[in-house]
Amino acid sequence: GAGVSQSPSNKVTEKGKDVELRCDPISGHTALYWYRQSLGQGLEFLIYFQGNSAPDKSGLPSDRFSAERTGGSVSTLTIQRTQQEDSAVYLCASSLDLLFMGDTQYFGPGTRLTVL
Amino acid sequence: ILNVEQSPQSLHVQEGDSTNFTCSFPSSNFYALHWYRWETAKSPEALFVMTLNGDEKKKGRISATLNTKEGYSYLYIKGSQPEDSATYLCAGGNDMRFGAGTRLTVKP
Repeated sequence: GAGVSQSPSNKVTEKGKDVELRCDPISGHTALYWYRQSLGQGLEFLIYFQGNSAPDKSGLPSDRFSAERTGGSVSTLTIQRTQQEDSAVYLCASSLDLLFMGDTQYFGPGTRLTVL
Repeated sequence: ILNVEQSPQSLHVQEGDSTNFTCSFPSSNFYALHWYRWETAKSPEALFVMTLNGDEKKKGRISATLNTKEGYSYLYIKGSQPEDSATYLCAGGNDMRFGAGTRLTVKP
């Protein structure tokens, strides 16, 4: 079956512009996660959605970052007024239920964002 | 331990060597510990999900153990092959915090 998909695969933008990154999770997965990996760094948690519950936004680095998940499926991560330090690979993942209860997480191919 | 920590940061071994690395995590409010394998230019791939103290899981030449009381998990690779070269990530805690990973390079 189809895995997690993300678009675009690469995005180059100018400092100060807004960008939107899209994630299509595996059908039926209730949990959706956003992470990023900056150059030379580990995987950094950004936000997760679980069903209809309010999202856990505790990992968002600033108020320029926001995310929404429409209809419990597709999610969009928006970065406003991009800065060079936002350059990273942004990964989306989904799981059938909650990871901390032992469910498996499936990752998308990522979006490489470069802010010039 | 407040964060998930992995050691060593990187490891270089010869083909055929066996190796292991460590993931340390907060032992309070433990739910699950996940291991992932992340090859360059690919997405992280789930290896194991471990939930019970004393758990031992195996997939081919790779195995993992879990000690929830002391807050650590070991990943073992027996007879390393060049195709095992990747970054191995663990994640745990009720907020699924990731460690920085161990980058393994297996030389032919």
